[in-house]
Amino acid sequence: ETGVTQTPRHLVMGMTNKKSLKCEQHLGHNAMYWYKQSAKKPLELMFVYNFKEQTENNSVPSRFSPECPNSSHLFLHLHTLQPEDSALYLCASSQDMAGGPVGSSNEQFFGPGTRLTVL
Amino acid sequence: SQKIEQNSEALNIQEGKTATLTCNYTNYSPAYLQWYRQDPGRGPVFLLLIRENEKEKRKERLKVTFDTTLKQSLFHITASQPADSATYLCAGGTGGFKTIFGAGTRLFVKA
Repeated sequence: ETGVTQTPRHLVMGMTNKKSLKCEQHLGHNAMYWYKQSAKKPLELMFVYNFKEQTENNSVPSRFSPECPNSSHLFLHLHTLQPEDSALYLCASSQDMAGGPVGSSNEQFFGPGTRLTVL
Repeated sequence: SQKIEQNSEALNIQEGKTATLTCNYTNYSPAYLQWYRQDPGRGPVFLLLIRENEKEKRKERLKVTFDTTLKQSLFHITASQPADSATYLCAGGTGGFKTIFGAGTRLFVKA
């Protein structure tokens, strides 16, 4: 496996529910990411954290709330979602950012994803 | 807006042939391009990176090219096998943490 775990793997929720997605990386990486993947669409970057600090928020609606308590854990808190938010939510981590030391690749290690269905 | 475009139609090839996948970028100049493999129900797995000053990169049966004139990367799998069947994602970044992904091309290799 990739060293990045996500729970739950599947989640069905109503529009009024509150739920959280969890991601944990065992690779000692400094950066963690949330992506949304919808069918036949590109991965959409949602949030990036580097050393627990948020460095990217890609104009994500406030019904998605990230939390990064330490470099190994990342959460995505969900509330009052819409049916169009149904998608595969992927967590990833990387050692550093692109443009870092020569030879760094910003290779991202992805978890298996959480398949979210909003009814 | 910055985009990575990949052929949305699936590519079907015979085992043993070379598979060639195309990635085009628009409205920006990535400093590097990455290729990932994604199997159903799994997250993408990194395969290769090529930088803008590199023309070609190889890894085992994989070869990637970067043509800044055509704004295109080609991804080749030689001597393809049924186990190579998957979706292949192209991604490009200019530095920092933001990488723009394409929607991927599905490859089917028939025995």
